[in-house]
Amino acid sequence: DAGVTQSPTHLIKTRGQQVTLRCSPKSGHDTVSWYQQALGQGPQFIFQYYEEEERQRGNFPDRFSGHQFPNYSSELNVNALLLGDSALYLCASRQGEEKLFFGSGTQLSVL
Amino acid sequence: AQSVTQLGSHVSVSEGALVLLRCNYSSSVPPYLFWYVQYPNQGLQLLLKYTSAATLVKGINGFEAEFKKSETSFHLTKPSAHMSDAAEYFCAVSERGGNTGKLIFGQGTTLQVKP
Repeated sequence: DAGVTQSPTHLIKTRGQQVTLRCSPKSGHDTVSWYQQALGQGPQFIFQYYEEEERQRGNFPDRFSGHQFPNYSSELNVNALLLGDSALYLCASRQGEEKLFFGSGTQLSVL
Repeated sequence: AQSVTQLGSHVSVSEGALVLLRCNYSSSVPPYLFWYVQYPNQGLQLLLKYTSAATLVKGINGFEAEFKKSETSFHLTKPSAHMSDAAEYFCAVSERGGNTGKLIFGQGTTLQVKP
């Protein structure tokens, strides 16, 4: 059983560009959350998707947007990239009130 | 608002020694509390969670944590450290009965285990 898979594993972009990160949840999971983990920091909650809708959002600007597809996979989009967006982006999935399973993340570098 | 403070960004112990990683939380509602471990270039793995069933929670790999409401603490312990325990550890809190997809994490504690 594949766990949470994220792609790509690494990505390099320049300031002002746009980026899309992808996440496939663990089999049987219908809820996906996204987190940003800056170097040396704990993960910070970006938003959560359930039934193809954003259900809860953290303190992130509108440049951060997402989508969830009917097969429960999800995308995180970041527009107008800033140097400060450089971080590890983690996707997590769950079913109901069960525990979160995290993917290995996408390392984004903004130059 | 909820928050988590992990005391000590770096903890070093000898192999076989007691591991103690400290976590204090702030929450206006009864919380769920979690400890996660992160190995290099990997995602987060749940070690244990507190959801009010018992104040002493046992997790994987010999770790346990005790919820102390009076001290607003949820410290992580392991009686005997192993070299494989070297990793980054995160304490997290979420609202009980709320959306457990939203976790508030501490800054993390790096555990070094010396031979």
